Amino acid sequence: DTAVSQTPKYLVTQMGNDKSIKCEQNLGHDTMYWYKQDSKKFLKIMFSYNNKELIINETVPNRFSPKSPDKAHLNLHINSLELGDSAVYFCASSQDLSDLAGAQETQYFGPGTRLLVL
Amino acid sequence: GQNIDQPTEMTATEGAIVQINCTYQTSGFNGLFWYQQHAGEAPTFLSYNVLDGLEEKGRFSSFLSRSKGYSYLLLKELQMKDSASYLCAVSNSNYQLIWGAGTKLIIKP
Repeated sequence: DTAVSQTPKYLVTQMGNDKSIKCEQNLGHDTMYWYKQDSKKFLKIMFSYNNKELIINETVPNRFSPKSPDKAHLNLHINSLELGDSAVYFCASSQDLSDLAGAQETQYFGPGTRLLVL
Repeated sequence: GQNIDQPTEMTATEGAIVQINCTYQTSGFNGLFWYQQHAGEAPTFLSYNVLDGLEEKGRFSSFLSRSKGYSYLLLKELQMKDSASYLCAVSNSNYQLIWGAGTKLIIKP
């Protein structure tokens, strides 16, 4: 059983298109995240979200928007894709940070979605 | 600002020991994590330190000194499969994880 899953694994698309990446976790976690990892392998937080609060990294363009139909899912929608959006996008989840601290904050990552914008 | 510093790349020999250092400056501290990331794969959790000292887990150990803003990951009896990037991340006062850029470890036979 996959704890955190993402679809699609690979996404190749044209500049200007709108696309979505889906993420699901079956760990019963309350907090989910989206990360972007660029060609230099630097892992950059984009969003963290639970049923109480959405925290947006202020450097993320508003073309990116998280959508959560329920606490087990956090999808990432991207409008008007640009060449610089090409990267690997990782979804992750952890226990609710307001209830637990320490090792419970451990984040579990999905396999990643490799996005290539042409 | 908040930043995490770790070497970009290290090389070691199979069977040897290697220490990967991490220094940090963050707004508050709620623990330090080490993750392993093989090429083309997702990061996976290795260790967590919140108190000063050494945490040992098999061939891997992680050390923390909060007063120095310093941690290291020690890998013993290196195997070829240990070739990967090792990411240091610190949980700040808001429980946000601040990530280092990772250290690419190359193991040679």
